[in-house]
Amino acid sequence: GIQVEQSPPDLILQEGANSTLRCNFSDSVNNLQWFHQNPWGQLINLFYIPSGTKQNGRLSATTVATERYSLLYISSSQTTDSGVYFCAVFDYKLSFGAGTTVTVRA
Amino acid sequence: GAGVSQSPSNKVTEKGKDVELRCDPISGHTALYWYRQSLGQGLEFLIYFQGNSAPDKSGLPSDRFSAERTGGSVSTLTIQRTQQEDSAVYLCASSVDNNQPQHFGDGTRLSIL
Repeated sequence: GIQVEQSPPDLILQEGANSTLRCNFSDSVNNLQWFHQNPWGQLINLFYIPSGTKQNGRLSATTVATERYSLLYISSSQTTDSGVYFCAVFDYKLSFGAGTTVTVRA
Repeated sequence: GAGVSQSPSNKVTEKGKDVELRCDPISGHTALYWYRQSLGQGLEFLIYFQGNSAPDKSGLPSDRFSAERTGGSVSTLTIQRTQQEDSAVYLCASSVDNNQPQHFGDGTRLSIL
């Protein structure tokens, strides 16, 4: 199956800082999603981004499918950004990375 | 509601008992998926439904696990003779079709004593 690697595994940020999360995948994929799992365990869709760049408020994502990676940018981080960020690739079923645990300190 | 609904939200049961977990997908979504999230295993795929058919059951960990979907809507995941290693959060997702974003429910946290 497709291997998905995320880095870094853990990230501690001071409120207001910017950060970049990376997702590498081992094979061509049809599509890619980024999720945020909040402290209550809910998986929230952030981006559906097979290629190109998308922005949503303070978050943006870029996928370079030909080079098999995607980046998630968090700008001006807030404590509510804390949680685990998952990258998942799919050809109908999702294969998840292990996630990046983000802690934003006030 | 407009989202994927799962019930129960929490389930505690004794080893050896059978459990049923329910998923109500978003109306009109033809594709439905079950995943499991456990410590040390991350998020793993269990089964995929397209309509009422399950073209991919490859993630079901043993023959104690089964799932069905009726009316192209509600799905039930059944675990027979539960074991402690079945303890996990079971997540259901649905999508318009199998090449569109998947939307997740809040999950069922299953604890086997």
